[in-house]
Amino acid sequence: SYELTQPPSLSVSPGQTASITCSGDPLGDRSTFWYHQKPGQSPVLVIYLDTNRPSGIPERFSGSHFGNTATLTISGTQAMDEADYYCQAWDNNHVLFGGGTKLTIL
Amino acid sequence: QVQLLESGPGLVKPSETLSLTCTVSAGSISDYFWSWIRQSPGKGLEWIGYIYYTGSTKYNPSLKSRVTMSVDTSRNQFSLKLRSVTAADTAVYYCARGILLDYYYMDVWGKGTSVTVSS
Repeated sequence: SYELTQPPSLSVSPGQTASITCSGDPLGDRSTFWYHQKPGQSPVLVIYLDTNRPSGIPERFSGSHFGNTATLTISGTQAMDEADYYCQAWDNNHVLFGGGTKLTIL
Repeated sequence: QVQLLESGPGLVKPSETLSLTCTVSAGSISDYFWSWIRQSPGKGLEWIGYIYYTGSTKYNPSLKSRVTMSVDTSRNQFSLKLRSVTAADTAVYYCARGILLDYYYMDVWGKGTSVTVSS
């Protein structure tokens, strides 16, 4: 089991907004990081420190964090956004990953 | 742009030691905390641990008894050894560059290398 809980799957239509949540006690006072992983590829950082986008990540990716829950939002989803998404936190000097959310663009 | 490349045997026998190396190119191994992460078939990500270029390490408690990481700054490489492997250690193993402040995250990942544990 994972200390960070994510919904296993989420389906949206192209152009809709996808919101992926990550919840758990470790997030109470910790920053959250998000990665996406396309099939057969390695994970890519898409959000760091709750709300920041690395260079090269489209503006449609955004993040928020309130209390024990962090949310990754993808506005105007595109087919290329279909991937597995993982949240991550740093707690007690260890990396925690969520179980991952498979985002399907219908 | 820094690049990471994992290398090592793709097949390891049960009870033996899995050994992997990550080579860092187009960047220095200094000043970052280098992680190993694995992903079992069809499963999520599991952090194994990190090593600083000075040799300081931090391991996942669930694997700590079997893991050793090392670094070779002259070759810009760091390595993972996982002892007494079983089929449960079959996974894709990734190396990644990590940033440690009051938090830790990984901003550059290797492509991963698949390791199967089987006799």
